[in-house]
Amino acid sequence: EVQLVQSGAEVKEPGESLRISCKASGYIITNYWISWVRQMPGKGLEWMGRIDPSDSYKNYSPSFEGHVTISVDKSISTAYLQWSSLKASDTAIYYCARHIRSSGWSPFDYWGQGTLATVSS
Amino acid sequence: QSALTQPASVSGSPGQSITISCTGTSSDVGFSKYVSWYQQHPGKAPKLMIYDVSNRPSGVSNRFSGSKSGNTASLTISGLQAEDEADYYCSSYTSTTTLAVFGGGTRLTVL
Repeated sequence: EVQLVQSGAEVKEPGESLRISCKASGYIITNYWISWVRQMPGKGLEWMGRIDPSDSYKNYSPSFEGHVTISVDKSISTAYLQWSSLKASDTAIYYCARHIRSSGWSPFDYWGQGTLATVSS
Repeated sequence: QSALTQPASVSGSPGQSITISCTGTSSDVGFSKYVSWYQQHPGKAPKLMIYDVSNRPSGVSNRFSGSKSGNTASLTISGLQAEDEADYYCSSYTSTTTLAVFGGGTRLTVL
């Protein structure tokens, strides 16, 4: 059974760093891209970026490039989303999602349960 | 302002059919065969309902169907059921550097 299990909720202060994780199981992580999607409180979905776990090639949405970093550790089948300096506006639920096909752009067939990141002083 | 435009809300009675529109541009919906639809219940992760404009993943009811004409994609739900009440988001691959965009979401209420 394919599963994406994300790390738990986080509470941070502005300026702090954060790394959230997404552990894949039930399939070979290097076979499918993983994307990260943001959902701010009461708002819609926003695509942040994606990584190809086979070679760590990444694309970022211009809205997020330079503010977040996507990475992967193939050895433990885990993808990461990290910030070096959080802002209050980063408060949101973050989802990881697996692309449905193994090459080229494709939609997301499996999603993590979401990680709530709260940034507040 | 979302890249793709959806109605904020739609409603229908059990057994009826509803259609949710998703309007983009020639750089996304009009350009791409990779239009998809997601269902999200409160407090839950999104679920893929339609991909590549009109394909249903295994396990998704055939009451859900998708189509596209020009820059507008549509999701139709027939035989509405109470469990269909949720938020629905369209998404498209885009030829711009953004790569993927979502609509603002449509809240479906089953009366």
